[in-house]
Amino acid sequence: AQTVTQSQPEMSVQEAETVTLSCTYDTSESNYYLFWYKQPPSRQMILVIRQEAYKQQNATENRFSVNFQKAAKSFSLKISDSQLGDTAMYFCAFMDYNQGGKLIFGQGTELSVKP
Amino acid sequence: EAGVAQSPRYKIIEKRQSVAFWCNPISGHATLYWYQQILGQGPKLLIQFQNNGVVDDSQLPKDRFSAERLKGVDSTLKIQPAKLEDSAVYLCASSLWRGETQYFGPGTRLLVL
Repeated sequence: AQTVTQSQPEMSVQEAETVTLSCTYDTSESNYYLFWYKQPPSRQMILVIRQEAYKQQNATENRFSVNFQKAAKSFSLKISDSQLGDTAMYFCAFMDYNQGGKLIFGQGTELSVKP
Repeated sequence: EAGVAQSPRYKIIEKRQSVAFWCNPISGHATLYWYQQILGQGPKLLIQFQNNGVVDDSQLPKDRFSAERLKGVDSTLKIQPAKLEDSAVYLCASSLWRGETQYFGPGTRLLVL
């Protein structure tokens, strides 16, 4: 069974600084997708970024980028120029396309951006 | 484009009572998911629909939980009877098709006393 591990329960960063959230996963599949979702206190789960496993190029979305290391099964999220609005719980998630598309989530990392 | 809608946002019930949650996915999305998120944990899939058929309900406690998706659009999730351990946030998500990016609703927070 696939598992997703986020080893940092809590992190904090100063506004305008850069922070990296870690995620590792375990799978024997070769065709899968990885996601980072953000969940602010309002509880709405918001997609941050998506990475297809077959793509070697790391995905980027404005201030958010990933470091995808397929051999190491590592998928970290880097947030540049952190803003107060980035304060939220961040979840790493794995999707095995051949298993119908369900998401398997990590335990989450609570990020606090301090002024 | 309207997002995924869920109601109610909050619900407090006594144990052994029943409760129902409603979800309206993004228009045109064929796949609908219900996740349970216990405090301090990541969401876990309860059930997945493709149009109005069930794709995966392996993690649904079928002795007390039921779900349906009539006409392949709206969905309801029911708990009867509720237990204390059912206290959680219930998230609904939808995607265009299986394997596509999922978009989540605001969730329903359930407290069972």
